[in-house]
Amino acid sequence: EVQLVESGGGWVQTGGSLRLSCAASGFTFSNYDMHWVRQVTGNRLEWVSGTGTSGDSYYSDSVRGRFTASRDNANNSLYLQMSSLTAGDTAQYYCVRASSGTYLMDVWGKGTTVTVSS
Amino acid sequence: DIVLTQSPDSLAVSLGERATINCKSSQTVFHFTKRKNFLSWYQHKPGQPPRLLISWASTRESGVPDRFSGSGSGTHFTLTISSLQAEDVAIYFCQQYDSTPPTFGGGTKVEIK
Repeated sequence: EVQLVESGGGWVQTGGSLRLSCAASGFTFSNYDMHWVRQVTGNRLEWVSGTGTSGDSYYSDSVRGRFTASRDNANNSLYLQMSSLTAGDTAQYYCVRASSGTYLMDVWGKGTTVTVSS
Repeated sequence: DIVLTQSPDSLAVSLGERATINCKSSQTVFHFTKRKNFLSWYQHKPGQPPRLLISWASTRESGVPDRFSGSGSGTHFTLTISSLQAEDVAIYFCQQYDSTPPTFGGGTKVEIK
C-alpha cells in the first residue's frame, strides 16, 4: 500500500523552529518529486515546497529563506526544516507525492499540525 | 500566480441527486504543446488525506466511482457527482498544475439535504 506518514508537528513559539518528517512506503520513493502542502484556517490549501528526485528544492514566496526541504532517498524520507516561524505558518502540513514531472499531486499523507503562537 | 475560484462555497443535495461544483481559473491551464488541461479535483474527508479524483480535467483515477466526472477546458471546469451518496460528504478542491506555484481552489463543502 502506498503510504505517506508525517511527523514532527507541534506547538512552537513565534520565531522558533521545527522539523517535519515524512516517511514513505509502498512505492519507489527515489523516482518521485515530493512536496509539502499546508492547509490553513478556512481550509485553504497552499503549496509550500517541492523537492525533485535528485534533491533540488523550490519554495513558495511566503516561506523562501525560512524553510528548507530535503530528502533521504536511502531511507525513503522527506523533511521540512522550518525556522523564523510566525502565526501565519500555523497549519496542517501534508507530505505529497507528485506524478512524474508535474505538480499533479496523486498521494497525500494525513498531515501533521503545526501551531505557532507567542 | 494562477487564482482558482470555486463556486459555490457549499451546497446541500438530496441523496441520489446531482451535485455540481465549478472552478474558474484566472488564466488558461490548457497546455498547448501537450494538448491537455492541467487541472485536477480532490475529495477531502475529515481525518483522512485528500484523495485525487480527477486529473487532466476529466480523467477519473483508478477506483473512483463513475458517478464522479470532470469537464471543462481552458479557464472553466466542473466536477459533477451524478447521484450523491452519503459517503460523498466531503470538501472538494480543484488544483492547477500548469504553472509554478501550483494553486488550489478555496474548496466546496458538499452535504446531504
